[in-house]
Amino acid sequence: QVVLTQSPSASASLGASVKLTCTLSSGHSSYAIAWHQQQPEKGPRYLMKVNSDGSHNKGDGIPDRFSGSSSGAERYLTISSLQSEDEADYYCQTWGTGIRVFGGGTKLTVL
Amino acid sequence: EVQLVESGGGLVQPGGSRRLSCAASGFTFSSYEMNWVRQAPGKGLEWVSYIGGSGSLMYYADSVKGRFTISRDNAKSSLYLQMNSLRAEDAAVYYCARADTRYFDYWGQGTLVTVSS
Repeated sequence: QVVLTQSPSASASLGASVKLTCTLSSGHSSYAIAWHQQQPEKGPRYLMKVNSDGSHNKGDGIPDRFSGSSSGAERYLTISSLQSEDEADYYCQTWGTGIRVFGGGTKLTVL
Repeated sequence: EVQLVESGGGLVQPGGSRRLSCAASGFTFSSYEMNWVRQAPGKGLEWVSYIGGSGSLMYYADSVKGRFTISRDNAKSSLYLQMNSLRAEDAAVYYCARADTRYFDYWGQGTLVTVSS
């Protein structure tokens, strides 16, 4: 079954850019994934879906600072011009036969 | 505007039961897959259950199979999760989430379930 792997943590400075990675398990490199943001003490929020060709479809009201891309089995979320409110947990999500799957999440710290 | 509002959380004893509800609005409910996702304190997101738009297809995570039942009432735009034989490890915030062809695109604010004697 499909497995999504994320680094547990990342950090970047205010105003800088950061690229988060979600890696699909072997045999699933054609799958799209969805990125979700969870700010402290809040529910998750859908950011975008990233396809295997790198195209992405953002959710309602998601700023242009957020973008997605792909390379092989890796799906990326790039956040530019980091703001304090971007400090959050970021999860990727996909599907398998009869299941839905989340990555372990990446905790982003804005320095 | 799409809205998902969960209710029904609370304190339940180990071995007890609880029914969660999710009231949906702002979209044609029957056209979308719906899911329950939970998050234990300090942990990541864990998918719990899926139901197709017509209500005829359901999936469950192994951790809840045989104990939880997902259902929906399209006439009422409502999603439900019947939780039986609750265990300490079921304690979590439970979110309902809409999915657009397998990818979650809207979330509720969550309802907290505490399992304790």
